[in-house]
Amino acid sequence: GNSVTQMEGPVTLSEEAFLTINCTYTATGYPSLFWYVQYPGEGLQLLLKATKADDKGSNKGFEATYRKETTSFHLEKGSVQVSDSAVYFCALNRAGGTSYGKLTFGQGTILTVHP
Amino acid sequence: DVKVTQSSRYLVKRTGEKVFLECVQDMDHENMFWYRQDPGLGLRLIYFSYDVKMKEKGDIPEGYSVSREKKERFSLILESASTNQTSMYLCASSFVPSRGERVYGYTFGSGTRLTVV
Repeated sequence: GNSVTQMEGPVTLSEEAFLTINCTYTATGYPSLFWYVQYPGEGLQLLLKATKADDKGSNKGFEATYRKETTSFHLEKGSVQVSDSAVYFCALNRAGGTSYGKLTFGQGTILTVHP
Repeated sequence: DVKVTQSSRYLVKRTGEKVFLECVQDMDHENMFWYRQDPGLGLRLIYFSYDVKMKEKGDIPEGYSVSREKKERFSLILESASTNQTSMYLCASSFVPSRGERVYGYTFGSGTRLTVV
């Protein structure tokens, strides 16, 4: 079956530090890959996505590249801000058939950024 | 602004009670989902529905049931609440992409934090 593994957290950084959150996946076929973010007290919001190998998703300074050869989709940001403090989830889905686009999530990584 | 609305933000229920969690979406989405969120486990799919009156089990359906009598409303039911069902419950809806598209656009509700005592 499908599975997503994220790096263990929590991650604590100082403002303007470089961020990497690792994500690897196992899936049959060609999944689409996502990063979702959950700010305190809120639901999940889509941060970025990639639908095929070598695609790069980007948004709000965050980037992730779909690496089929390493089955990875690592999240990066060059300079984090206090407002980036949140929980980050890596996820995948498969389109078509009877999948109904169900999302499979990683464990989540708590990011805290200090001034 | 499109929305998925969950009826309660916080709930406290007693062991053995029948609990209803309600979710309403205003986007005319075909698919609706109930996830459970627990620290270190991420989000796990409980049930989903791809049409009115249609439902399928997710990864952890035991102890839960669902109802979808109208397209916009998807209810999660805990038949007899237990303490191990204390958790954050997230509802989501998604549209079915057009032919050739691969991404199902998801919208999540803000969650219901349920405590069973």
